[in-house]
Amino acid sequence: AQSVTQPDIHITVSEGASLELRCNYSYGATPYLFWYVQSPGQGLQLLLKYFSGDTLVQGIKGFEAEFKRSQSSFNLRKPSVHWSDAAEYFCAVATPNTGNQFYFGTGTSLTVIP
Amino acid sequence: ETGVTQSPTHLIKTRGQQVTLRCSSQSGHNTVSWYQQALGQGPQFIFQYYREEENGRGNFPPRFSGLQFPNYSSELNVNALELDDSALYLCASSLGGGTQWDQETQYFGPGTRLLVL
Repeated sequence: AQSVTQPDIHITVSEGASLELRCNYSYGATPYLFWYVQSPGQGLQLLLKYFSGDTLVQGIKGFEAEFKRSQSSFNLRKPSVHWSDAAEYFCAVATPNTGNQFYFGTGTSLTVIP
Repeated sequence: ETGVTQSPTHLIKTRGQQVTLRCSSQSGHNTVSWYQQALGQGPQFIFQYYREEENGRGNFPPRFSGLQFPNYSSELNVNALELDDSALYLCASSLGGGTQWDQETQYFGPGTRLLVL
């Protein structure tokens, strides 16, 4: 069965520092990969997605993610974090043979300190 | 702002009761998916509706049911509520058939937080 693992439950970074959030997936082929952000009282917002092609994907709010097939990973990065980036981040997978099901990781909570 | 709205924002029910949660999709979006997000967890797929027909279901019992209407609104109904049903319920709408995720995007609503006592 497909699964998504986000190893870091909580991460704290200083404002202006770089950020990397980890995501590993379990699936035999290349799935559709997504990163979402959830702020309190807000719905999930799509940051970026990957389905094929260039393995480095640019998203909104200055985020990027890199797909590494050999590591079954899709880590999210940002070179300089802003206080407004504090939120919950979810990695998600959808696979061609499961059609419409999204599988979400358990999320990583990001705290940004001044 | 995704254009997807949900009501109510919060709800308290007691065990054994029934609840109806509502979602209004973006205009023109034919697909709506519902997710359950327990505290500290990621969203779990409940089911999806495409043009008023159920189009896939996750590992949830039949007491979770849904409806989709032609006016781009939809409902999630849960019967015989259990304590473990306490969660944030999210709906998400998308334009197409809900399978070609390289070409379409899900837009999520803010959710309904359900507490079962």
